[in-house]
Amino acid sequence: EAAVTQSPRSKVAVTGGKVTLSCHQTNNHDYMYWYRQDTGHGLRLIHYSYVADSTEKGDIPDGYKASRPSQENFSLILELASLSQTAVYFCASSATGWNQDTQYFGPGTRLLVL
Amino acid sequence: AQSVTQPDARVTVSEGASLQLRCKYSYSGTPYLFWYVQYPRQGLQLLLKYYSGDPVVQGVNGFEAEFSKSNSSFHLRKASVHWSDSAVYFCAHTGNYKYVFGAGTRLKVIA
Repeated sequence: EAAVTQSPRSKVAVTGGKVTLSCHQTNNHDYMYWYRQDTGHGLRLIHYSYVADSTEKGDIPDGYKASRPSQENFSLILELASLSQTAVYFCASSATGWNQDTQYFGPGTRLLVL
Repeated sequence: AQSVTQPDARVTVSEGASLQLRCKYSYSGTPYLFWYVQYPRQGLQLLLKYYSGDPVVQGVNGFEAEFSKSNSSFHLRKASVHWSDSAVYFCAHTGNYKYVFGAGTRLKVIA
């Protein structure tokens, strides 16, 4: 069974502070993704990576950085958290980046920026 | 441009009734279509996917979906819902190696 874990599961941050969300997968997948989910919207892609030590911008990368230090780990970094970044963040992995590939999701991190 | 539209934000059905959740996609190329389900406090899980062949695809827990190229649709169906089917359902499409998700339909099953 594919396994993607995220930490923390929830976090309260202050505006202007730094936030790091972590993701770990035991699937031996090459691709990892960070999405945000807002009420009334589908998931939107922030950053993704297909190999360690390399990350790519997704559709909404502004205000976010990503880090992929190993195949198993993928972090999302908010250097200066803002109110608009309050959302639920999901990490996912897939074996390949092919169109028909299934993505496996973590349980999500609920971030509240005050 | 790619897009996925789920026109029903919320659907309420009685336990044992049939279900259809609607999904329309916009993409000029070969469609790769998915339905994912999100149970409370959990990540998304794949229900089924389609990318070629028989337009009716079977998924887990009795769900099926039908692809229609002429209507640009990929509607999800279930013959008889159970209270445990209450969740948020997302339709998604990939093209250009990127997922595009619909806004989701929140399904509530009542006794």
